[in-house]
Amino acid sequence: NAGVTQTPKFRILKIGQSMTLQCAQDMNHNYMYWYRQDPGMGLKLIYYSVGAGITDKGEVPNGYNVSRSTTEDFPLRLELAAPSQTSVYFCASSSLRANTGELFFGEGSRLTVL
Amino acid sequence: GNSVTQMEGPVTLSEEAFLTINCTYTATGYPSLFWYVQYPGEGLQLLLKATKADDKGSNKGFEATYRKETTSFHLEKGSVQVSDSAVYFCALDGSSQGNLIFGKGTKLSVKP
Repeated sequence: NAGVTQTPKFRILKIGQSMTLQCAQDMNHNYMYWYRQDPGMGLKLIYYSVGAGITDKGEVPNGYNVSRSTTEDFPLRLELAAPSQTSVYFCASSSLRANTGELFFGEGSRLTVL
Repeated sequence: GNSVTQMEGPVTLSEEAFLTINCTYTATGYPSLFWYVQYPGEGLQLLLKATKADDKGSNKGFEATYRKETTSFHLEKGSVQVSDSAVYFCALDGSSQGNLIFGKGTKLSVKP
């Protein structure tokens, strides 16, 4: 019962580098989300998807890109990493909209940009 | 826009103590309200929810009542255990997108 799997769990980047955070779910959920959590702050929505081929911006999308080519996968791309992107990133999925159903979260990916 | 304010942590309690974690919200209309919990080394998981005023959500001995008059959704448990040590997040329905707005989280440590 894997649920939502995120990789990597930890990563250190240099300013200007790029990387992709991977997220996969095996529950056949249509809805997938990327959140970031800065120290002492709540989770903020970066991007979300309501199904394969459909993505939309959340509250803090600048500096990120996403794609949803399959139901299972929802990778988050960071281009030209900046120190402001140092955060913990959570991927989540749900079968219904988040305000109706239950979000299932991955364990998080801790990213540090130096 | 909708927002949620959660009490600052960390909260440290002895086993079998009574727990209250305060959560208040600002919203238009009557959003659904949630408590999520994150145990060490794990992702967040839904603890309980309430979808309308005066509803009480409950799970694993935790309870929270949707109070429209005080715009609150405080989390309570009568007798905490060491295994309840975790970070607790209050959340509400954020927008027409159907996404959630989360509070900052409250870290609870329960000592034996």
